[in-house]
Amino acid sequence: DAGITQSPRYKITETGRQVTLMCHQTWSHSYMFWYRQDLGHGLRLIYYSAAADITDKGEVPDGYVVSRSKTENFPLTLESATRSQTSVYFCASSDPGKSTSYEQYFGPGTRLTVT
Amino acid sequence: LAKTTQPISMDSYEGQEVNITCSHNNIATNDYITWYQQFPSQGPRFIIQGYKTKVTNEVASLFIPADRKSSTLSLPRVSLSDTAVYYCLVGFQKLVFGTGTRLLVSP
Repeated sequence: DAGITQSPRYKITETGRQVTLMCHQTWSHSYMFWYRQDLGHGLRLIYYSAAADITDKGEVPDGYVVSRSKTENFPLTLESATRSQTSVYFCASSDPGKSTSYEQYFGPGTRLTVT
Repeated sequence: LAKTTQPISMDSYEGQEVNITCSHNNIATNDYITWYQQFPSQGPRFIIQGYKTKVTNEVASLFIPADRKSSTLSLPRVSLSDTAVYYCLVGFQKLVFGTGTRLLVSP
């Protein structure tokens, strides 16, 4: 039971480069989410998806692009990385239709450093 | 999205009961109240969720008054391994994480 995985776990990139963070879940959950967590702060929602081909903005979507062609995958792309995007990125999934709660299951995170 | 306010930090000792209160004055009718726990370098982990009154599971209890403008997470007999950051969130699917409460449990 792999659950929810993220790759890479660590990434260093340069300002202006395009970076894609991958998220994969094996539960066939309908909802998937991307958050960023800056050092010493709480998580902020970037984008979320209610189903394949359905995505919506969260609190801080600027500079990010998402897609969801398959239910199990939800990649996050930084089109032109900036230093302010240095953060830990968490992917999460949930499926309220399969449970009695709206519990989100989080991946292990990707630590991204933009130099 | 409803905003929450909770204490920045709390200290406790092993074996004590810890109560963390969260205020959410602008909670919406269809919002649930959810608590997550986060250890360093890990993603948050679901603890408990409720809509009104009291909810209890194997690790915690959640008390919600009738007006739902606040909630209290109760951790019975904490241990050192309960040292973590605890987040109170209100919402449906789109969640707003505040800064959380940093709980330190000492021997």
